[in-house]
Amino acid sequence: DGGITQSPKYLFRKEGQNVTLSCEQNLNHDAMYWYRQDPGQGLRLIYYSQIVNDFQKGDIAEGYSVSREKKESFPLTVTSAQKNPTAFYLCASSGGQGSYQPQHFGDGTRLSIL
Amino acid sequence: AQTVTQSQPEMSVQEAETVTLSCTYDTSESDYYLFWYKQPPSRQMILVIRQEAYKQQNATENRFSVNFQKAAKSFSLKISDSQLGDAAMYFCAYRSWRGSGNTGKLIFGQGTTLQVKP
Repeated sequence: DGGITQSPKYLFRKEGQNVTLSCEQNLNHDAMYWYRQDPGQGLRLIYYSQIVNDFQKGDIAEGYSVSREKKESFPLTVTSAQKNPTAFYLCASSGGQGSYQPQHFGDGTRLSIL
Repeated sequence: AQTVTQSQPEMSVQEAETVTLSCTYDTSESDYYLFWYKQPPSRQMILVIRQEAYKQQNATENRFSVNFQKAAKSFSLKISDSQLGDAAMYFCAYRSWRGSGNTGKLIFGQGTTLQVKP
């Protein structure tokens, strides 16, 4: 079945450590997105990518980095510069530029501080 | 910049009854899409219904329907014959349509938690 796989489901970060969240899709979608979800604040866009080897900052990109070396993969690194990383992270994909298709979401990764 | 507002943090409904969740948005664009997503306790985001702004007819998906008022910038979700499985957080979302400039980004409201009472 086509879908989006996020791993791990739960992740713990130590102070000063970088951690990477994985997002893989087999929907042949061009565009991929990372959102952060905090209680009472809905979802906020961190980064997005419309094509391979290209990505743009979203509304809250500080302290995060991404790469898009393959169409299927869009990993998110939470760096030590992100001082409040505890949140639920959702990855999504869609048909991309010009597409009217809605976004499909993964099951999310919950990141906590040790 | 576009914004989406859900003014009801929590709602409750009796099983088999009807409930309406409110959403308002602000935009200067004339063409766009609006969505309602459901997030159950499993945290998975599930698309409930979609509305294209150029369509005057309100979208309907089984027990879910919307009341789209473009001039008022209002996009409410009506759930009929509520079921226990409808209990979840519901998010209203906006997406621009700018032809080739469309990036597909979604702008979300804060969410409404719906409780269904047996």
